[in-house]
Amino acid sequence: GNSVTQMEGPVTLSEEAFLTINCTYTATGYPSLFWYVQYPGEGLQLLLKATKADDKGSNKGFEATYRKETTSFHLEKGSVQVSDSAVYFCALSDRGYQKVTFGIGTKLQVIP
Amino acid sequence: DAGVIQSPRHEVTEMGQEVTLRCKPISGHDYLFWYRQTMMRGLELLIYFNNNVPIDDSGMPEDRFSAKMPNASFSTLKIQPSEPRDSAVYFCASSFNIFSGNTIYFGEGSWLTVV
Repeated sequence: GNSVTQMEGPVTLSEEAFLTINCTYTATGYPSLFWYVQYPGEGLQLLLKATKADDKGSNKGFEATYRKETTSFHLEKGSVQVSDSAVYFCALSDRGYQKVTFGIGTKLQVIP
Repeated sequence: DAGVIQSPRHEVTEMGQEVTLRCKPISGHDYLFWYRQTMMRGLELLIYFNNNVPIDDSGMPEDRFSAKMPNASFSTLKIQPSEPRDSAVYFCASSFNIFSGNTIYFGEGSWLTVV
């Protein structure tokens, strides 16, 4: 079946540091890939997505590239801010498997 | 445009009581999801509907849980009887044509505490 594996947190960074959160996936078909973000006390919201191989999703300074050869979709940001402190979820939706699968979430804490 | 609306936002109930959580999806969306989030188990898919029909309920933990979607604009998740281990945040989410790479939109969650 499908699965998403992402690094466990928490990840603690100083403001303006470089961020990478790893995500790898297993899917039976050709999935679409997503990063969702959850701020404290709120629901998840889409951060970025990519629907085919080599696509790059980007939003709010975050980027992730759909790498089919390594089945990865790592999230990166060049300079994090305190306001980026949240939980980040990698996810995939698979047309063939009719499933939406989320990773366990990675908590990011950015300190001033 | 209103997002996914859930009620109640917070509920505290005693063990053994019935709990009903409600959800209004975004108009026009044909998929509706119910998720549960806990510290121990993370985000779990309980059930999802397509065009008001339950498609996959394999995540529903046991017979105490039931979900309905009587029409395109309303869904309920019911727990009867409730137990302390049901304490969690329950999210409703909706999407249009999800398997074509579209976004899932989440509500703000219903925070349930069973004492």
